Amino acid sequence: SQELEQSPQSLIVQEGKNLTINCTSSKTLYGLYWYKQKYGEGLIFLMMLQKGGEEKSHEKITAKLDEKKQQSSLHITASQPSHAGIYLCGADDSGAGSYQLTFGKGTKLSVIP
Amino acid sequence: ETGVTQTPRHLVMGMTNKKSLKCEQHLGHNAMYWYKQSAKKPLELMFVYSLEERVENNSVPSRFSPECPNSSHLFLHLHTLQPEDSALYLCASSQASGGAGYTQYFGPGTRLTVL
Repeated sequence: SQELEQSPQSLIVQEGKNLTINCTSSKTLYGLYWYKQKYGEGLIFLMMLQKGGEEKSHEKITAKLDEKKQQSSLHITASQPSHAGIYLCGADDSGAGSYQLTFGKGTKLSVIP
Repeated sequence: ETGVTQTPRHLVMGMTNKKSLKCEQHLGHNAMYWYKQSAKKPLELMFVYSLEERVENNSVPSRFSPECPNSSHLFLHLHTLQPEDSALYLCASSQASGGAGYTQYFGPGTRLTVL
């Protein structure tokens, strides 16, 4: 079965700094989802990537899927305290759009004012 | 975000109790999911319903019993749980078609504590 490894596990940055979170798969990624979770709450959908080389942005968050489709990165520009939370990547590895997503363990982001 | 709601938000129960978790989605989706999130472990998919029929059951103990009476409502019935079942239980929904339509939208979760 597919495994997703996220790095780093946790990150503390000063407000205004840029940061990158990585998600690496043991298999080819056919659909890669990024979510954000506040502690003890539900997941908020951020972006979904399907094509190798694809890049999407929403406000100050940019996600990319590499050409070989085995790694995705999430980049936050000029971080703010509102960006704090746990970022999770989830993947559909079936190629047909299955019901089952595999998730990474998450990256905990803290932003210091 | 009120697309997917869950009640209760917090639940404390004894090992001999019977309780139910409720999930409701207002997004017009056809598929609904139950996930379990334990500390320091990835989200674990428990059950999937598509068009009110169960399509996935990931070896979940029988003390967890799902019910999907219609495409907007999903329940998780709990009985004789163990302390290790304490976790955040998340509900999600999506369209039942392929590709980007599979984006799952999550509820706020129910924090369950089993004493």
